[in-house]
Amino acid sequence: KAGVTQTPRYLIKTRGQQVTLSCSPISGHRSVSWYQQTPGQGLQFLFEYFSETQRNKGNFPGRFSGRQFSNSRSEMNVSTLELGDSALYLCASSLGDSREAEAFFGQGTRLTVV
Amino acid sequence: GDSVTQMEGPVTLSEEAFLTINCTYTATGYPSLFWYVQYPGEGLQLLLKATKADDKGSNKGFEATYRKETTSFHLEKGSVQVSDSAVYFCARDNYGQNFVFGPGTRLSVLP
Repeated sequence: KAGVTQTPRYLIKTRGQQVTLSCSPISGHRSVSWYQQTPGQGLQFLFEYFSETQRNKGNFPGRFSGRQFSNSRSEMNVSTLELGDSALYLCASSLGDSREAEAFFGQGTRLTVV
Repeated sequence: GDSVTQMEGPVTLSEEAFLTINCTYTATGYPSLFWYVQYPGEGLQLLLKATKADDKGSNKGFEATYRKETTSFHLEKGSVQVSDSAVYFCARDNYGQNFVFGPGTRLSVLP
C-alpha cells in the first residue's frame, strides 16, 4: 500500500511569510501527527489530529496551526515565519486507536527560512 | 514531564562489533516503547517495539527488552554492518496520541 506522502519535499521562504505543508496518510489511518526536527532540539511534537479533531498539542506558539480533512489528509500552517522555524517537518500516520499502534512517517518537508 | 533519555553519541564501531544504545524513560503508567531508525534524507522507520513489561522486540538482528524495574529499553545488535549506519531514536507513546522521542543516537559503522 502507498506510504505517507508529504508535499512539498523542499521549501525556501522569507522571514515574515507564511507556509502550508501537506500530508496524505496511509489509507485507513485516521490519526495524523506532526513533528519538527532540528539539530538542536531533536524531534518535537507539534499536534495530532484524529478524525478531523485536534486531540493533542505540543508546546509551540500559535503561529503553528493545523487541520485535518474528512479524507484524513492534513495540513499544517506556519504564519509569520522566523529564521528558527527552519527545520525538517515530519508527518506520521497511524490507526490512532491504541497505544500499540505503529506510526508510519513520511520523508518530511525541509523548510528553510531566509 | 514524561521523557526519554538515550546516549547521544555519535557512536562509531567497526563492522561486526557489538552494539548497545541505552534508553531510559519516565512515564506515568506503562507506555508502549519503540525504536525508530532514520537513514540520511529519510523519515523515520519503525525498527521494533514492545508493549508491556518483559516483552522483547526484535527485527533485522536488533533486539530490545522492556524492563519495567529499570524503566529501560536498551537496543542491542550482536554484529553491526555498514548498512546499519543511521540515527536511532528511542520513543514512548503518549496514550496512543503521539510519541515522546529521545534525542537520537548517530551510529557510524566502519568497514
